Amino acid sequence: DQQVKQNSPSLSVQEGRISILNCDYTNSMFDYFLWYKKYPAEGPTFLISISSIKDKNEDGRFTVFLNKSAKHLSLHIVPSQPGDSAVYFCAASPASGGYNKLIFGAGTRLAVHP
Amino acid sequence: SQTIHQWPATLVQPVGSPLSLECTVEGTSNPNLYWYRQAAGRGLQLLFYSVGIGQISSEVPQNLSASRPQDRQFILSSKKLLLSDSGFYLCAWSLVLPSGANVLTFGAGSRLTVL
Repeated sequence: DQQVKQNSPSLSVQEGRISILNCDYTNSMFDYFLWYKKYPAEGPTFLISISSIKDKNEDGRFTVFLNKSAKHLSLHIVPSQPGDSAVYFCAASPASGGYNKLIFGAGTRLAVHP
Repeated sequence: SQTIHQWPATLVQPVGSPLSLECTVEGTSNPNLYWYRQAAGRGLQLLFYSVGIGQISSEVPQNLSASRPQDRQFILSSKKLLLSDSGFYLCAWSLVLPSGANVLTFGAGSRLTVL
C-alpha cells in the first residue's frame, strides 16, 4: 500500500513557465513533508519541506503548498529553468526527531525545455 | 561540514556472488544511518536503518543484510546476489533542521547490476 503517491510520472514545461508537481498521501499522521530533487546517477538532494501545521512554505523559486483536508501537497517552481530538469520525489515523515523513516513517492520526471 | 561517502559507485556482479557496499559519514558523531534502494517506478524504498553501533533494523524481508561496525560506517551485504537485487543503492544520514524537519542527506549512490 503506497502511502505517498505521485501520480504523474513525467511533466514537460517550457522555460520561464510555472512547474507544478503534485503529491497525495493517505496517512493523516504524517508530521513533515519534503521534496527532493534527483539528477541521474546521483543521490537525491533536499529541496524544501513543510510542517503539517502550515499550508505554505516558500524558498526562492520553490513553494510548497499543503492541503491537509485533501491530503495533497504540491511543489511550484517559478520560473522554471532548464537546470530544474530532474526527478522530483515527494516524501513524508511519520514523526519528527529520532530516526526518520521517510516514505517516498515514485517520483515525477520534470523536463524544462527552452 | 558533514559529508557522506559511498563506494563503489558502480558494480556488476554475477548471480550468486557476494556483495559489500560501504558508506561512511564524516563531520558528525552518532548519526542515524539508512540504506535505501531506488527501483524503477517504485521510488525510494527504505531497506535498513541504524541508530547506533551494532543496532540494525530491517524494513523489508530480503536477500540483503546490513552492519554497523563503527559509529560512522554502514555496510550493506549479501551472501548470494539475486537478479532482483539490481538497483541503485543509497546511503543516508539524518539531520534535524531549525524548522524541526528531520531531513535525510544522501550519498551519491551505488549502481548494482546483477547478471
